[in-house]
This record gives sequence, C-alpha cells and structure tokens, in this order.
Amino acid sequence: DQQVKQNSPSLSVQEGRISILNCDYTNSMFDYFLWYKKYPAEGPTFLISISSIKDKNEDGRFTVFLNKSAKHLSLHIVPSQPGDSAVYFCAASAGPSGAGSYQLTFGKGTKLSVIP
Amino acid sequence: SAVISQKPSRDICQRGTSLTIQCQVDSQVTMMFWYRQQPGQSLTLIATANQGSEATYESGFVIDKFPISRPNLTFSTLTVSNMSPEDSSIYLCSGRGWSTDTQYFGPGTRLTVL
Repeated sequence: DQQVKQNSPSLSVQEGRISILNCDYTNSMFDYFLWYKKYPAEGPTFLISISSIKDKNEDGRFTVFLNKSAKHLSLHIVPSQPGDSAVYFCAASAGPSGAGSYQLTFGKGTKLSVIP
Repeated sequence: SAVISQKPSRDICQRGTSLTIQCQVDSQVTMMFWYRQQPGQSLTLIATANQGSEATYESGFVIDKFPISRPNLTFSTLTVSNMSPEDSSIYLCSGRGWSTDTQYFGPGTRLTVL
C-alpha cells in the first residue's frame, strides 16, 4: 500500500515558466510534509516543508501548497531554471505521536526537466 | 542544517561478503535513520538507529541482515551482510536535529553486488 503517491513520473517545462509537481497521500496521521530534490549520484537535498497547520509555505522560487481535505500537496517552482532539472521526492511524516514517529515515507519521485 | 558524510561513496562487492557503511554527522542529532533506494524506486526506510541500543527495524528488514550501530549521537554504521545481487542499491543515512522535523541526508553509498 503506497501511502505517498506521485503519479507523474516525469514533467517537462520551458525555462522561465512555472513547474507544478503534485503529491497525494492516504495516511491521515501524516502532519509534516517535505520536498527533496535529488541529482544522480547524490543524496536528497531538502527543499521546503510544510506543517499540517498551514496551507502554504514559500521560500524564494519554491512554494508548497497543502490541501488537507483532499490529502494533496503541490510544489510550485517559479520561474523554472535549467538547474532545477532533477528528481523531486515528496515525503511525509507522522510527527511525535504513535508508532512510526518522524520516519519519512517517500513517493516514487517526479523527474523534472527544464528546457532552456 | 546538519552536514552528513558517508563512507564509502560506492563499492562493488562479491556475493556472500559483507560491507559496512559509515555515517558521520557534523552536529548532534536526535535521530538517525538508514534508507535504501533500489534502482528506479523510491527511498525505503530500513531502520532507526538508536544511540547505545538496538536499532528499530521496519517490516521486511532484520538485524541479522542489516546490523546497525550508533555508539554516539553523531556516528552510525550499517552493515549489509551476506550480500546478494538483490542488495544492489543506494544506501542513505539521514539525521533529524533537535529542533526540527526535517531530515537531512548524506550523499549515499552506491553498492553493486556481483
């Protein structure tokens, strides 16, 4: 049972345009969500996170939106740059309560290609 | 954010042998984790490394196959024992700081088993 889903394995966007990466989750215990960027042969690099008490968090060109009722979050990158080309992973954790606290459950990733 | 290093960065090993991966964090973290990323797949949690006690393993992972140590707050090792080609993966460690829910990852160890 996949608790975090990224249904688009790949996405191509023109440089300067907006990139929107989507993520759905099924576990209602998740209360903290993160996006990581991963280049080949490197570990995941933390990008941005959001707590379930918020519906939006912004950091420079990156904005994450959370829709708890739909169990959906998205990462917006504006404007997209060729250096953003990487695999983006959505991850979720259940925080301090209960079993599995703080462990991250990852989606399968979306490969973003930004075309110059 | 914590800076995390791993050794070795990659290795090619023969079936039936064991490999120990080291993970060093530059500052104290509350929790350390070990993940595996098989080719074309997402990251899967192997275990939580507990300081001074046995690691907590996820379903499908056992201590005999993946013994883990964490002698202090900034260092952990993962051993992949009696390796088979199915163990070929990237192995990653991560750390969570005292005042954040965010985990930071090491660069990974790319393991190929022949």
